[in-house]
Amino acid sequence: DAGVTQSPTHLIKTRGQQVTLRCSPKSGHDTVSWYQQALGQGPQFIFQYYEEEERQRGNFPDRFSGHQFPNYSSELNVNALLLGDSALYLCASSLQGSKNIQYFGAGTRLSVL
Amino acid sequence: TQLLEQSPQFLSIQEGENLTVYCNSSSVFSSLQWYRQEPGEGPVLLVTVVTGGEVKKLKRLTFQFGDARKDSSLHITAAQPGDTGLYLCAGQETSGSRLTFGEGTQLTVNP
Repeated sequence: DAGVTQSPTHLIKTRGQQVTLRCSPKSGHDTVSWYQQALGQGPQFIFQYYEEEERQRGNFPDRFSGHQFPNYSSELNVNALLLGDSALYLCASSLQGSKNIQYFGAGTRLSVL
Repeated sequence: TQLLEQSPQFLSIQEGENLTVYCNSSSVFSSLQWYRQEPGEGPVLLVTVVTGGEVKKLKRLTFQFGDARKDSSLHITAAQPGDTGLYLCAGQETSGSRLTFGEGTQLTVNP
């Protein structure tokens, strides 16, 4: 049973560029949440997707957008990258109506130069 | 905005010692989770507590949820080098909602 998988594992971009990160949820899960974790900090909630719609959003600018596909996989897009966007981006999946325990992937390490 | 304050931020102890990590908030959470994260990995769930006053044990780890569901603690007995890692508490306002994380406690257990 595959867990949450994220790609790529590492990514280097320059300021102003755009990036797309991908997440495949744990088998049987229908909800995907994205978090940003700066070095030495706890993860910060970006947004959550369910039934292909954004259900909740954290305090992140519109440069951060996402999408969920019919197979429940998800993408996180960040436009006009800033140096401060350098972080570990974590995807978590869960199943609505259950205990809603969120299982995390290993993350994508994004470095903005 | 709900906030979780976690303490201490760093903890370095010798093998065999006991330790306690605290997670405090002024807000009430419907549930609180504890995660452990190792370098290059995502957080791994250790336990979920949902009832005020609840105590859960996982081998040498004891988790407690405060009576008012605003705070929690993690106690490790006889720490081992394998316990080294970043311990994170996270609260949920309602079932299925976002997780609000604390800043984390970086634990190092020296042999």
